[in-house]
Amino acid sequence: GENVEQHPSTLSVQEGDSAVIKCTYSDSASNYFPWYKQELGKRPQLIIDIRSNVGEKKDQRIAVTLNKTAKHFSLHITETQPEDSAVYFCAASREGSSNTGKLIFGQGTTLQVKP
Amino acid sequence: EAQVTQNPRYLITVTGKKLTVTCSQNMNHEYMSWYRQDPGLGLRQIYYSMNVEVTDKGDVPEGYKVSRKEKRNFPLILESPSPNQTSLYFCASSLVQGRDTQYFGPGTRLTVL
Repeated sequence: GENVEQHPSTLSVQEGDSAVIKCTYSDSASNYFPWYKQELGKRPQLIIDIRSNVGEKKDQRIAVTLNKTAKHFSLHITETQPEDSAVYFCAASREGSSNTGKLIFGQGTTLQVKP
Repeated sequence: EAQVTQNPRYLITVTGKKLTVTCSQNMNHEYMSWYRQDPGLGLRQIYYSMNVEVTDKGDVPEGYKVSRKEKRNFPLILESPSPNQTSLYFCASSLVQGRDTQYFGPGTRLTVL
């Protein structure tokens, strides 16, 4: 079945450094790729998403890139701050098909930003 | 205030005792979904609903039931809970799946003894 692999599972960076989290997906028909951030003890919240008709999207310090040929997408956080410490989840789904409602998440990456 | 609510937030029960976790949203969203979160496995989709009276299986539907009789509510039913259903459960909703932000509820931590 569909699968999303996420790496690394844990990531520790120094404040001000960049962090990169990578995901690969198996379903070549996937065309919607959101990223969620979950702070400790809280609910996941969407931070950025990308659709297959674009290769990159930026929002202030975060950016997502998509390589449809290789079936992978990445989250880039620049100038990391302690409040970026959280678990990050990538996900993939299809729009406009009978499986539109299925959203497959990666296993999550625990990011720690050291002051 | 726009929100997704879940009840109960915490529940300890015993094997085989039927339970229902309620989920309600006040944003007039068409799409609702249930996930379970387990360490190392991320979020796994249990069931989803594209609209009233339309439900479908996610990745891990075994042992669960859902219903969508009205737009705002999407209860998760465990007819005969087992210890392997001990988990953190999240309900989520969005205007339309795949084109809108999914809003998550606060989570329900379930322990089955």
